[in-house]
Amino acid sequence: EDQVTQSPEALRLQEGESSSLNCSYTVSGLRGLFWYRQDPGKGPEFLFTLYSAGEEKEKERLKATLTKKESFLHITAPKPEDSATYLCAVQANQAGTALIFGKGTTLSVSS
Amino acid sequence: DVKVTQSSRYLVKRTGEKVFLECVQDMDHENMFWYRQDPGLGLRLIYFSYDVKMKEKGDIPEGYSVSREKKERFSLILESASTNQTSMYLCASSRQGTNEKLFFGSGTQLSVL
Repeated sequence: EDQVTQSPEALRLQEGESSSLNCSYTVSGLRGLFWYRQDPGKGPEFLFTLYSAGEEKEKERLKATLTKKESFLHITAPKPEDSATYLCAVQANQAGTALIFGKGTTLSVSS
Repeated sequence: DVKVTQSSRYLVKRTGEKVFLECVQDMDHENMFWYRQDPGLGLRLIYFSYDVKMKEKGDIPEGYSVSREKKERFSLILESASTNQTSMYLCASSRQGTNEKLFFGSGTQLSVL
């Protein structure tokens, strides 16, 4: 069964304290791995797509990496405005265009 | 700016009522999706559609139906609302093709009493 597991469920950081969020996946052939950010009361907002192991993408303080079993979202020197829930999703070969989402990691950054 | 618009932000309904959730996108996307999001369970796919008048069941279609009469509009229907359908409902759309990112609406928080 295709599955996406995110850890930790919640993460509290001080401003400037770098860390990483994990997304491990089990799929029958990976077409793509997606990272989304979701603010309270809003829909998820797209961040990155990764297609193959070894690929990396960056946006401001965020950097996403991909291996054959997991993806990491690295947050460098976070600010309070980075506080949100970060969702990981995979598109498997057998699932068409429907994404399978993890349960998310809720990040809180305090000043 | 691209947009997915859900008709209601908050909705309160009674058990047994027929409920319509409407979603409109202005990006001429072929694909549209309905998800529900619950604490501890994450996002779960209810139904999706690749084209007008076409629909596919997702992971949890029981108790729901959908309608897509026009390309830009995708409706989720709760035939007889139940308390276990209290949830945040999210509509999304994407272009046709693989690895196309989803654009989400802001969600409808539905409470069934």
